[in-house]
Amino acid sequence: DTGVSQDPRHKITKRGQNVTFRCDPISEHNRLYWYRQTLGQGPEFLTYFQNEAQLEKSRLLSDRFSAERPKGSFSTLEIQRTEQGDSAMYLCASRSTGGASYEQYFGPGTRLTVT
Amino acid sequence: GNSVTQMEGPVTLSEEAFLTINCTYTATGYPSLFWYVQYPGEGLQLLLKATKADDKGSNKGFEATYRKETTSFHLEKGSVQVSDSAVYFCALITAGGGNKLTFGTGTQLKVEL
Repeated sequence: DTGVSQDPRHKITKRGQNVTFRCDPISEHNRLYWYRQTLGQGPEFLTYFQNEAQLEKSRLLSDRFSAERPKGSFSTLEIQRTEQGDSAMYLCASRSTGGASYEQYFGPGTRLTVT
Repeated sequence: GNSVTQMEGPVTLSEEAFLTINCTYTATGYPSLFWYVQYPGEGLQLLLKATKADDKGSNKGFEATYRKETTSFHLEKGSVQVSDSAVYFCALITAGGGNKLTFGTGTQLKVEL
């Protein structure tokens, strides 16, 4: 078990460009979450998947954001036409619903800087 | 809705000092409570948790007790070390709604020799 991984770790892009991030959860985890963390704040929920189904999206997730988990394993988060306000750390977490614990395991995050 | 309020940082302590980081919450339903820690350049790690009233979560010398009557989950450690320097986040989950985490804003702890 190598934990949750995210790629890339850092991304610098110019305003208006599209970016895509990848998250690989712990292999047996059926739930996958995306959060966004801005400087000096706690992480805020964006969306989550149960297997391949996207079950909830936060109001923070504007139409420029799209997330997928096509085979119920890895997930991608795409931001189209990036804006400076999108600069943040994007965190992925996963968990199994099979046990009694609600613990989510977090990846190292992808830090996005929009110039 | 759910919300978590933490004391603001940074908190600066000398090594071996006593630590308290306050956390209070509001929740719809009966929450499970967590403390996560974020070391510089790393992701969030679960530090401890408590799932029902009067439970005490503990790990690495840190403790927090779930106080339903005061809706609090304060983090304490009797003797901090330089290696404890990090950002600490209080968080909660309620049943349903995908069990998504609601976090406080985080408290930065700096421990000096």
